[in-house]
Amino acid sequence: DAGVIQSPRHEVTEMGQEVTLRCKPISGHNSLFWYRQTMMRGLELLIYFNNNVPIDDSGMPEDRFSAKMPNASFSTLKIQPSEPRDSAVYFCASSQDTSNYGYTFGSGTRLTVV
Amino acid sequence: DAKTTQPPSMDCAEGRAANLPCNHSTISGNEYVYWYRQIHSQGPQYIIHGLKNNETNEMASLIITEDRKSSTLILPHATLRDTAVYYCIVTANQAGTALIFGKGTTLSVSS
Repeated sequence: DAGVIQSPRHEVTEMGQEVTLRCKPISGHNSLFWYRQTMMRGLELLIYFNNNVPIDDSGMPEDRFSAKMPNASFSTLKIQPSEPRDSAVYFCASSQDTSNYGYTFGSGTRLTVV
Repeated sequence: DAKTTQPPSMDCAEGRAANLPCNHSTISGNEYVYWYRQIHSQGPQYIIHGLKNNETNEMASLIITEDRKSSTLILPHATLRDTAVYYCIVTANQAGTALIFGKGTTLSVSS
């Protein structure tokens, strides 16, 4: 298994531009999570899905952030418009309800908004 | 708010056992203790988890006190590659339950 796949690995964009981060969970996993990590705030949960349905988006910082999971093998996190304070590493993770191995995280997307 | 308390940092000599403590005095009966670690610039990695009994796998051992209010993660023979931030997380093992990460313990292993 290739694990959780995130793309792109690095993204540099100008303030005001739209940014789309992508995630492919592990096949068979039915929960998907988006996290953001900064030095100041650590790892923050943004939103998570169970069976493609958003369960809790209370961590999404503003209306500029949106996430979708159109099917079991793909999810996106979109920021529109982007701001410098959105600069962070964004992680996607997936898990299987019956798994004893917790979450599997992707390698992350390092976003820099200039 | 994280439900756990961990020391911000610890040091360990290579080859020695690293014992990382975690307090979770408000843990509920259906909540598990999970440990993850994050090596610099990588995604967090699952280590081990337990409910009541002590657990051991190829990476580490988890010792949970009888009252379940605290636990210790043991890396029996720490190596330089074990230098990482270690997170102790308490959560119910239910479908789609989200892990909430605290600040963790930065373990520095030196030769």
